[in-house]
Amino acid sequence: QLQLQESGPGLVKPSETLSLTCTVSSGSISSVIHYWGWVRQPPKGLEWIGSIYYSGNTFYNPSLKSRVSISVDTSKNQFSLRLTSVTAADTAVYYCVRLQHGYGMDVWGQGTTVTVSS
Amino acid sequence: IVLTQSPGTLSLSPGERATLSCRASHSVSSSYLAWYQQKPGQAPRLLIYGASSRAAGIPDRFSGSGSGTDFTLSISRLEPEDSAVYFCQHYASSPTWTFGQGTKVEIK
Repeated sequence: QLQLQESGPGLVKPSETLSLTCTVSSGSISSVIHYWGWVRQPPKGLEWIGSIYYSGNTFYNPSLKSRVSISVDTSKNQFSLRLTSVTAADTAVYYCVRLQHGYGMDVWGQGTTVTVSS
Repeated sequence: IVLTQSPGTLSLSPGERATLSCRASHSVSSSYLAWYQQKPGQAPRLLIYGASSRAAGIPDRFSGSGSGTDFTLSISRLEPEDSAVYFCQHYASSPTWTFGQGTKVEIK
């Protein structure tokens, strides 16, 4: 059964860059029918950050587009998130997910808490 | 698209039926409306896709319906394990994904 695992620092200073990696196991990131993405959860609610196809095509939440970059490394079966110029408002649990258009987000990582604080 | 869920909290007894609402600010394709369940300390889990189709392994107590701007998640014969927050989600062709703010279901 395919699994996702987030990794990265749990504490980031204001104005710095948040970087997270998601490792895909027991499955291939090069699936032709799936996208891979990031969702975050502040104290309340869920927010889609962006998605990437194995070929490298990316799609971002317009509200975050100027600060977000998602990349994929098919050789390592990983994809990564970079969020620049972070503030306290970026403090959240960050999930990596597998997406299928017309279906939904059917596989989720366990989530990693990122706190923005000096 | 803005998704508005109601009520904010639903408190029901085991065996009762829960009815959760998700209203879209504009008409959306039912093919791209999904529901998720999130229990405390866990990641969300896909329940319903295409407004009315159950995801793999989801009990038939969970059902979805609706079209246009109004969608409903129903949970029949509530069990204590159904205590969770439920989110609706829309996928737009841009493509972007939007979530509702969630409805908390409490089992008395």
